[in-house]
Amino acid sequence: GAVVSQHPSWVICKSGTSVKIECRSLDFQATTMFWYRQFPKQSLMLMATSNEGSKATYEQGVEKDKFLINHASLTLSTLTVTSAHPEDSSFYICSARTGGWHTEAFFGQGTRLTVV
Amino acid sequence: TQLLEQSPQFLSIQEGENLTVYCNSSSVFSSLQWYRQEPGEGPVLLVTVVTGGEVKKLKRLTFQFGDARKDSSLHITAAQPGDTGLYLCAGAMSGGGADGLTFGKGTHLIIQP
Repeated sequence: GAVVSQHPSWVICKSGTSVKIECRSLDFQATTMFWYRQFPKQSLMLMATSNEGSKATYEQGVEKDKFLINHASLTLSTLTVTSAHPEDSSFYICSARTGGWHTEAFFGQGTRLTVV
Repeated sequence: TQLLEQSPQFLSIQEGENLTVYCNSSSVFSSLQWYRQEPGEGPVLLVTVVTGGEVKKLKRLTFQFGDARKDSSLHITAAQPGDTGLYLCAGAMSGGGADGLTFGKGTHLIIQP
């Protein structure tokens, strides 16, 4: 299957700082990538849809100024958690669908963010 | 309101037993996918079903898509400890790759040796 690489795998940062997470499609081009958040023992919640060359679409309740998304190329989307606080600590996962109809979504390995 | 109801949420059984996980919705999906996730890792795709009534088999795992494309099931035969993990169903409301997936809450499966 297609490969999606996410970096870093885990990060610890101080409260008030910003953290950038990268999501790359390694062997295919993705005009659309998705960012999810997952709390312990819970399922994935879609945060936003990242569109190459245009603004991201955020789900209801997700602060766009808090979670900045940039999709500057067909293989890279970034999520920046700005002014992070302990409640932002979570597991963040990106995915990309390979395009075409009825396509599967492939996920990165996730980023464990801990804000102290 | 949860768009995709997945059950059971937690299941612990002995090695060798059979089990079924259900994923139900009142909405019609273009396709439905099953993933398995290990702690600290991203979900790994197991199968995609797109046609109502479709049945797919992956070794000891059997996946079925309901005729109306509103529900799906995952059946595991003779479960092994290696099957332990979080199983997630996810539906796509439309094709074309432009929409994010809607996930069920997941089934935490533990297979005891």
